[in-house]
Amino acid sequence: AQSVTQLGSHVSVSEGALVLLRCNYSSSVPPYLFWYVQYPNQGLQLLLKYTTGATLVKGINGFEAEFKKSETSFHLTKPSAHMSDAAEYFCAVSDNQAGTALIFGKGTTLSVSS
Amino acid sequence: DAGVIQSPRHEVTEMGQEVTLRCKPISGHNSLFWYRQTMMRGLELLIYFNNNVPIDDSGMPEDRFSAKMPNASFSTLKIQPSEPRDSAVYFCASGRPPTTEAFFGQGTRLTVV
Repeated sequence: AQSVTQLGSHVSVSEGALVLLRCNYSSSVPPYLFWYVQYPNQGLQLLLKYTTGATLVKGINGFEAEFKKSETSFHLTKPSAHMSDAAEYFCAVSDNQAGTALIFGKGTTLSVSS
Repeated sequence: DAGVIQSPRHEVTEMGQEVTLRCKPISGHNSLFWYRQTMMRGLELLIYFNNNVPIDDSGMPEDRFSAKMPNASFSTLKIQPSEPRDSAVYFCASGRPPTTEAFFGQGTRLTVV
């Protein structure tokens, strides 16, 4: 069975500071990994994903994440936070084939202060 | 592309009533997922379909919950009878291999009083 653990339900940063949201996964097969963002009263939007190949993946809005198999981690980073980044962020894992369901972590709320 | 369309966006119902949530996946997508989001439990997978066939319904909480996908462009999630603890936001998502991600609808906020 697959699972995702997001460390820290709430992260607060200042505008311009580094954003680091942590995600560790458990999977019995090589995983596909995803980060989604959710703004209030909206659905989830894909930020980035890792399937195969380069372990450092870049996504929208300046976010990136690195797949580290030895650490079973897929942490999300952004060099400089913007006020508009305030949202809830979800890490997800799936089997390494399309058409399988994504299993989500409990989410991390990112607050950005000026 | 209209995206995944869910209806209604908001539903308030009384305990014991039947509730039906509807989803229209993105045209051409053949995977469909139903999720439930609550503060306590986060995003839970309820059931998913591939090519209109239920693949995994182990997340459906009780027999009060049922889901159908009669064709490639429509799915329903039914709760009968509804209970206050069913109050949550229910999301539908769809996907299409070889694309690996799921595309989410705006959700249906269900309140059972």
